[in-house]
Amino acid sequence: QKEVEQDPGPLSVPEGAIVSLNCTYSNSAFQYFMWYRQYSRKGPELLMYTYSSGNKEDGRFTAQVDKSSKYISLFIRDSQPSDSATYLCAMSAYPQAAGNKLTFGGGTRVLVKP
Amino acid sequence: GAVVSQHPSWVICKSGTSVKIECRSLDFQATTMFWYRQFPKQSLMLMATSNEGSKATYEQGVEKDKFLINHASLTLSTLTVTSAHPEDSSFYICSAPKSGETDTQYFGPGTRLTVL
Repeated sequence: QKEVEQDPGPLSVPEGAIVSLNCTYSNSAFQYFMWYRQYSRKGPELLMYTYSSGNKEDGRFTAQVDKSSKYISLFIRDSQPSDSATYLCAMSAYPQAAGNKLTFGGGTRVLVKP
Repeated sequence: GAVVSQHPSWVICKSGTSVKIECRSLDFQATTMFWYRQFPKQSLMLMATSNEGSKATYEQGVEKDKFLINHASLTLSTLTVTSAHPEDSSFYICSAPKSGETDTQYFGPGTRLTVL
């Protein structure tokens, strides 16, 4: 069993719909949770960063962390064709600045149709 | 956010030759950088951790003599693929961690390597 599980998709939605993404994990030590967006043939771009549990909102993006269920989510409101990309969840038990590794999910491919 | 660059963005080489990829943190210093490999439609696979002033730490199954890593300064790490073969063709991405409001890794744009 992988440490972080993420449905690979593809997830196809019409423009304007809400995109709902999630990851489950098994390591209860994880405290730092991130979502990255990766366009084809590009490096991942940080979208959301959350420490511990709770919700965080940034524009059209909302990240949720439920540590009791070991489950994190990313919601994208009013989805646009430009949101079509692969979304990677990542997490760590320790601060990244100290040079600790991230554990990634496999990524979910999202396609927003005009 | 922080800026990490990679050079070159795309390289084609002949089998048996060596290729060097550079990773630079442009607006911050990084004592640690990470090198990943990504095959099409797959997630990132960590290859090694690059440490400034000391030897790199390689993940299990990654040949350290084939993938040479040098962290020459606080803003530069290089990955050299030695005696490249077609199976080394892949997308190589580096990242560097930065502290602050978002204490996480920032990724470079990636380097696409094609070995003929």
